[in-house]
Amino acid sequence: DADVTQTPRNRITKTGKRIMLECSQTKGHDRMYWYRQDPGLGLRLIYYSFDVKDINKGEISDGYSVSRQAQAKFSLSLESAIPNQTALYFCATSDLEGGFGYTFGSGTRLTVV
Amino acid sequence: GQNIDQPTEMTATEGAIVQINCTYQTSGFNGLFWYQQHAGEAPTFLSYNVLDGLEEKGRFSSFLSRSKGYSYLLLKELQMKDSASYLCAVRDRRNTDKLIFGTGTRLQVFP
Repeated sequence: DADVTQTPRNRITKTGKRIMLECSQTKGHDRMYWYRQDPGLGLRLIYYSFDVKDINKGEISDGYSVSRQAQAKFSLSLESAIPNQTALYFCATSDLEGGFGYTFGSGTRLTVV
Repeated sequence: GQNIDQPTEMTATEGAIVQINCTYQTSGFNGLFWYQQHAGEAPTFLSYNVLDGLEEKGRFSSFLSRSKGYSYLLLKELQMKDSASYLCAVRDRRNTDKLIFGTGTRLQVFP
């Protein structure tokens, strides 16, 4: 099983719909992150969480919300999807001292039509 | 703040050597990472430098100069499967040790 699992892998949704992307990890890491990736723009941080009670906005949080249900679970919601939220979304985990940086999930390709 | 620069695209020939440069500006440097990302897939860890010098791992090596704010990733004996994007990322202790990513260098290897 993968260390960081994202569901769904692919999703097409309509403008205005609410959608949730889920992430679970078996690494035992406290820190979890949600990124989106667009061509030419690299990885941009949406939200991050350093433990279950700690949630922080990243650089592009507008239109998104998150929930840290447990140490192992961190979900991302689009409250009312719009076409410019079409992107590849990655969940990642890390521990503070690790020399391996982040471990990424396989990604969710989201298309908003 | 942080600023990370790397070339957008590079091309090379199978069997050759290629060097991908990364320059950064950060107030609390606490390590530099290189990731490989194939199209549509997750980034995967390649290397980590926190002290000056060269780290070698098989065909891949990474170099860091903290005084110059500079790193490079060296790929030797290029193979077609090395065609991917290479992401430089810096960890900043003044930014709660989050990683800040460059936009990536897309490497195309030709036969």
